[in-house]
Parts: sequence; structure tokens; C-alpha cells
Amino acid sequence: DTGVSQDPRHKITKRGQNVTFRCDPISEHNRLYWYRQTLGQGPEFLTYFQNEAQLEKSRLLSDRFSAERPKGSFSTLEIQRTEQGDSAMYLCASSLASTGADTFFGPGTRLTVL
Amino acid sequence: GQNIDQPTEMTATEGAIVQINCTYQTSGFNGLFWYQQHAGEAPTFLSYNVLDGLEEKGRFSSFLSRSKGYSYLLLKELQMKDSASYLCAPSGNTPLVFGKGTRLSVIA
Repeated sequence: DTGVSQDPRHKITKRGQNVTFRCDPISEHNRLYWYRQTLGQGPEFLTYFQNEAQLEKSRLLSDRFSAERPKGSFSTLEIQRTEQGDSAMYLCASSLASTGADTFFGPGTRLTVL
Repeated sequence: GQNIDQPTEMTATEGAIVQINCTYQTSGFNGLFWYQQHAGEAPTFLSYNVLDGLEEKGRFSSFLSRSKGYSYLLLKELQMKDSASYLCAPSGNTPLVFGKGTRLSVIA
């Protein structure tokens, strides 16, 4: 396993369209996290899973955002009715231990909403 | 909640040493991460300190004082490729929370 992977790496869409991103964590990691990052800011936490259970969602996560991890392996993040303010880098990370001592990030998906 | 404070920007000369400080307030502290992030790329793991003291890893060292809520990242023999943002993230009972990071510029 070479690490956390994300697909696509880049996505350009028009305002109002739906987009879906995929994250494949490191295979033995049971925790998976989604973050969003805009220019000049640190990553902002969106949500995380332990196995297939979604344990926490940030207040940043509006109703247009939904994340799933149906089999406790890969995860998807869907954004419905995209807005220009959704343009950002969407980062996925995974870890094994509850302390997150081995938290590693994927390469990210850069979303541009026109 | 969590509060993380790092300098916004730093500039240092190639070959020099630079120290990036981080102070934090968090509940349920387990340890502290440092990540490096080049522009347009994802953060990459640098270090994770659990115990007080200095941990050295090549040109990079990280220090932690749990009682003071303080950490620093020390970069020696700076190279141009070290120009990046450096993110400090305390690990507690919740997923990692990041500050804005410190943007380091290495100049010739």
C-alpha cells in the first residue's frame, strides 16, 4: 500500500452541479478524515469515520455536503448544488490509532467551481 | 475547543537555522504533530511528539513542553526546497485541528 489516494486530483465544475470525490485510505487504517483547505489557511476539519460509522461532522459541513464510508474502506464526499465558495482543496487523511499518531494525508482533490 | 498560535510568515537564509514556534490550548492532549506543506500540495508528516523534550530527525528536530502548551520545529542547514508552510497540530480526543501554519521562505 503506497498511502492514501484520492480521485480525481482536479475537478472543474459549473455552479449548481453535483460533484463526488473518492478517498482510499491506507488499508489497515480504520479512521478516515475529510478536510477542506483554501489558500492561506490551514486544513479545516469537515468529518471523520471510524470504520463505517460517521462519528463527527463539523458545523462547516452544510446540508449540501454528504460523506459515506459504506464498507469501512474507501469513502466518498459529495457536494450538491455547488457554489463558488466551495472552491478549495479537499483533503482526505487516515489513521489507525485513536490518538491519530499515524495520520497521513492523501494528495487532495482541487475543486474549482465556475 | 482548541487554539493554535504560530507566526504567519518567516524568512531565513539558505544554510541557516530557523525555529518555528507553536503554542496551543486543547482538551485531552495526546501529542503534537508537525506537517510540511508545499504550495498546492497536501501536508506531509514531519514529526509527532508525545513526551517532553527534543526529538531529532536529520535536519529537522521538534520540541515539546506539555506543561507550557508549547512546541517548536527546528530546521537546520536550510535548503531552498524547505520553503513551504509548516503546520502545527495538537492531537487530542478529536480529529486534528490545524492553525493557519507558518509560511517559511528560504532565500539565497
